[in-house]
Amino acid sequence: DIQMTQSPSTLAASVGDRVTITCRASQSIRSFLAWYQQKPGKAPKLLINRVSILESGVPSRFSGGGSGTEFTLTISSLQPDDFATYYCQHYDNYVGTFGQGTKVEIQ
Amino acid sequence: QVQLVESGGGLVKPGGSLRLSCAASGFGFRDYYMSWLRQAPGKEPEWVSYISATSSYTNYADSVKGRFTISRDNAKNTLYLQMNRLRVEDTAVYYCGRDGGLQRYWGQGTLVTVSS
Repeated sequence: DIQMTQSPSTLAASVGDRVTITCRASQSIRSFLAWYQQKPGKAPKLLINRVSILESGVPSRFSGGGSGTEFTLTISSLQPDDFATYYCQHYDNYVGTFGQGTKVEIQ
Repeated sequence: QVQLVESGGGLVKPGGSLRLSCAASGFGFRDYYMSWLRQAPGKEPEWVSYISATSSYTNYADSVKGRFTISRDNAKNTLYLQMNRLRVEDTAVYYCGRDGGLQRYWGQGTLVTVSS
């Protein structure tokens, strides 16, 4: 089974900061990598699929990159609404495996 | 718009059973794979099971295989998860999702607590 590992687990930042979260896969997953945002008490929200394709309505300050086994989610200028937990996910047509999450906190 | 509404969660003792339901609307339910996912407190989401559009194919995570059964009623636009022989470690919020794999649409979740 492919394992997904995120770093860091927690990240303290301020409004306006540039933030980068890393996700590593235990083997190559080509471009089947997605990012989700989750706020307390809510379901995860899909932000990015296929490594870098922003979902409709997602602000352009979010971007995704990487290939093979190493991927990144970058928030170019952190906004108050962005404080949340972020998960990467490797997926195929049927199942998905999530990373353990990165909580972005207010510094 | 796509709407998924889960129900049926609650408190159950270890070894007990529950049946979750997910009412779907806003899309052609009979044309899509559907999934159940869960999220234990403080943990990442975990895929539990999927079912094909016509119920021909199902699959389960190893952690629930032999105890959980996924099914659907396309006439009622409803997805089900029968959970038997529940364990403490099954405690989680259970979500239904449209499609397998990538989850663009999620319900609000229903909490299942397994405790004596």
